[in-house]
Amino acid sequence: GIQVEQSPPDLILQEGANSTLRCNFSDSVNNLQWFHQNPWGQLINLFYIPSGTKQNGRLSATTVATERYSLLYISSSQTTDSGVYFCAVNYGGSQGNLIFGKGTKLSVKP
Amino acid sequence: DTGVSQNPRHKITKRGQNVTFRCDPISEHNRLYWYRQTLGQGPEFLTYFQNEAQLEKSRLLSDRFSAERPKGSFSTLEIQRTEQGDSAMYLCASSLRTSGRTDTQYFGPGTRLTVL
Repeated sequence: GIQVEQSPPDLILQEGANSTLRCNFSDSVNNLQWFHQNPWGQLINLFYIPSGTKQNGRLSATTVATERYSLLYISSSQTTDSGVYFCAVNYGGSQGNLIFGKGTKLSVKP
Repeated sequence: DTGVSQNPRHKITKRGQNVTFRCDPISEHNRLYWYRQTLGQGPEFLTYFQNEAQLEKSRLLSDRFSAERPKGSFSTLEIQRTEQGDSAMYLCASSLRTSGRTDTQYFGPGTRLTVL
């Protein structure tokens, strides 16, 4: 099956700093989503981005499908950005379910 | 749009007992998914429904697990004879799948199961 690898596994930032999270995947994908899991466990949709670039406020994401990676950019980080960021993909071998990476744990210090 | 809801939010049970969780998807969504998440890991797929039909089951879904979506609306996940290894967060997601388009999945808050 497909492999989804996220880096870095852990990231500590000072409030106001910028960061880039990376997701590599080993096969062509139909769907790629970025999620933020808050401390209470809720998975919050950030982007649906199988290809191209999208922006939403301080967050943006880029997926280069031909090179099998996606990047999530967080600018001017805030303490509320803390949590775990997951990349998840759907590919031809999985009918509909998402395959998740292990996540990047982000801690933003005041 | 009230989002995906799950009940209960927390469940503590003794080994060997049966438990049942409920998921109410976003109202117009035709697909419903169950995932399981253990500490420090990403969610892992268990099973999914399109309307009332269960279309795929993961190898993680042992014989002790059963899921239903009787009228194509809410779904239940039952675990029989719980084991300590079943302790995890159980997540439900829903999506609207239309022809020729891959769907965006929206997750509920999860049910955290602790088996003593």
